[in-house]
Amino acid sequence: GAGVSQTPSNKVTEKGKYVELRCDPISGHTALYWYRQSLGQGPEFLIYFQGTGAADDSGLPNDRFFAVRPEGSVSTLKIQRTERGDSAVYLCASSLKRQGSGANVLTFGAGSRLTVL
Amino acid sequence: SQKIEQNSEALNIQEGKTATLTCNYTNYSPAYLQWYRQDPGRGPVFLLLIRENEKEKRKERLKVTFDTTLKQSLFHITASQPADSATYLCALPRGGANNLFFGTGTRLTVIP
Repeated sequence: GAGVSQTPSNKVTEKGKYVELRCDPISGHTALYWYRQSLGQGPEFLIYFQGTGAADDSGLPNDRFFAVRPEGSVSTLKIQRTERGDSAVYLCASSLKRQGSGANVLTFGAGSRLTVL
Repeated sequence: SQKIEQNSEALNIQEGKTATLTCNYTNYSPAYLQWYRQDPGRGPVFLLLIRENEKEKRKERLKVTFDTTLKQSLFHITASQPADSATYLCALPRGGANNLFFGTGTRLTVIP
């Protein structure tokens, strides 16, 4: 598509529920990133995919968080047993960057705002 | 550990003046540094990239400097306009890897 698309734009859920957030990157972008942004903070890195594989998942806060990108395009961030502290905007970004080459410029989606009650 | 600090949470300036935002980093030797703009309810948008061997980069009313000795980048907006009001984020490649590490951002308000 023309830009990075994220759905849903807003999600309200109850503590303990399971949530899926979807990201549709720019067509042809091999790299895909998930960030989390709390109010007044910069984006915090969660996970980075190069193609179908997670190249770096060191930012995932715990094992309740998981992300997949099965065909190297759309990605889903999955959060199990949600907690109030998971409330944030979850941003997805994509880039053309190939592993190990040059500078990396990210194109972001508008984000999915998650509220856990 | 690696750290990025942006000079202040918020900066208010009068229309027409030059806004200067600061990004300092520690325990780091990045090959490049980027600046992004973020409007409320939107994702960050890329503005400029400056490499470690470049002292200065310009794009229209924007100017970025990069001092690898001081470990600092300055971001200037000249002849500022109310439409420049936004949060500005600096970002560095994370430890040589292929992702970016963001500062907390500075919220700029240009007063008409």
